[in-house]
Amino acid sequence: GAGVSQSPSNKVTEKGKDVELRCDPISGHTALYWYRQSLGQGLEFLIYFQGNSAPDKSGLPSDRFSAERTGGSVSTLTIQRTQQEDSAVYLCASSLATRGGYTFGSGTRLTVV
Amino acid sequence: GQSLEQPSEVTAVEGAIVQINCTYQTSGFYGLSWYQQHDGGAPTFLSYNALDGLEETGRFSSFLSRSDSYGYLLLQELQMKDSASYFCAVLLDSGNTPLVFGKGTRLSVIA
Repeated sequence: GAGVSQSPSNKVTEKGKDVELRCDPISGHTALYWYRQSLGQGLEFLIYFQGNSAPDKSGLPSDRFSAERTGGSVSTLTIQRTQQEDSAVYLCASSLATRGGYTFGSGTRLTVV
Repeated sequence: GQSLEQPSEVTAVEGAIVQINCTYQTSGFYGLSWYQQHDGGAPTFLSYNALDGLEETGRFSSFLSRSDSYGYLLLQELQMKDSASYFCAVLLDSGNTPLVFGKGTRLSVIA
């Protein structure tokens, strides 16, 4: 596609429920990143996929978080047993040859009530 | 750990020039990027410096001094639409490793 697409744009869930967030990167971009942004804060790295290599999961805050990327394209971030501190905007980005330049999606605003 | 410091807020007058500084202490360094984010929007890429010196792109310029672990974003001829948050981000190595972001500087442009 022309840009990075994320869905849903907004998600309200009850504490303890599982949620799935979807990212559709730019076609042909080999690298895909998930970041989290809390209100008024910077971007916190979560997980990174590069081609067929094993993902870099070093930023995942707990084992309730997981992500997969199917066919080198679409990625899904799953949060199990959501907690209120999980409330944030989850941003996905993709890149081809970095030179520090990512294309971000508009994010999914997750609210855990 | 990784540390990027930038001012939390800056206010400037329309038509003026503003400089947003970023100092970093990171485990590695390959380059410095800048991103702009309007409220409710996605971060958008502005510039990237791998070498010392000034890179100019229209009204925006970015500077890097590797020896000082310091960079800045310079915005000239400020417009109201430049009101946004600006993030510096460090690329730690030459691979597609994830950028490490600062907490951002909120720029308010006033008339």
